[in-house]
Amino acid sequence: GQQLNQSPQSMFIQEGEDVSMNCTSSSIFNTWLWYKQEPGEGPVLLIALYKAGELTSNGRLTAQFGITRKDSFLNISASIPSDVGIYFCAGPKNSNSGYALNFGKGTSLLVTP
Amino acid sequence: ETGVTQSPTHLIKTRGQQVTLRCSSQSGHNTVSWYQQALGQGPQFIFQYYREEENGRGNFPPRFSGLQFPNYSSELNVNALELDDSALYLCASSLGPYGPQHFGDGTRLSIL
Repeated sequence: GQQLNQSPQSMFIQEGEDVSMNCTSSSIFNTWLWYKQEPGEGPVLLIALYKAGELTSNGRLTAQFGITRKDSFLNISASIPSDVGIYFCAGPKNSNSGYALNFGKGTSLLVTP
Repeated sequence: ETGVTQSPTHLIKTRGQQVTLRCSSQSGHNTVSWYQQALGQGPQFIFQYYREEENGRGNFPPRFSGLQFPNYSSELNVNALELDDSALYLCASSLGPYGPQHFGDGTRLSIL
């Protein structure tokens, strides 16, 4: 299958610091999605990437679609306590179908005031 | 704009029982996908419904089945519940099978 590997597994940072996490795969993806999940809630779509090399921002969040199409990065600038949660990368199960998302295991982010 | 809503929020069942979970898609969305999320893991795709038909299925046994209704809402049915079925069940809706998927808050199912 198309396994997505996320790193780091967890991060514990101070408020104001910048955060960087990534997602890699042995297979090529045509779409990368980044979600955030908070306790007791479903994943919320943060950023969608559709083109190799694409760099997209959403407020303090910036994500990039790797040139090789096998990786993606998510950066959070000037972190705040409400950034706490688990961040998942996801992509379609195979390159010919967009119907099923394959998720990584997530990066857990803790931010101390 | 109404988001994805799921019911119930929590459910406790015993082994061998059957369960039905419900999902209302976000307004304007015609496709519903179901995922199972075990503790500490990412969501795993169960199946997707588009135009009231199953449009793809993950690695789940036939005792996991679903329906989609003309108003695009959907049900997930699980028969002969097993302890390993304990998980958060998430529904996601999208505009078409290939659109970005937006999730509800899930149903937490516990099997005793």
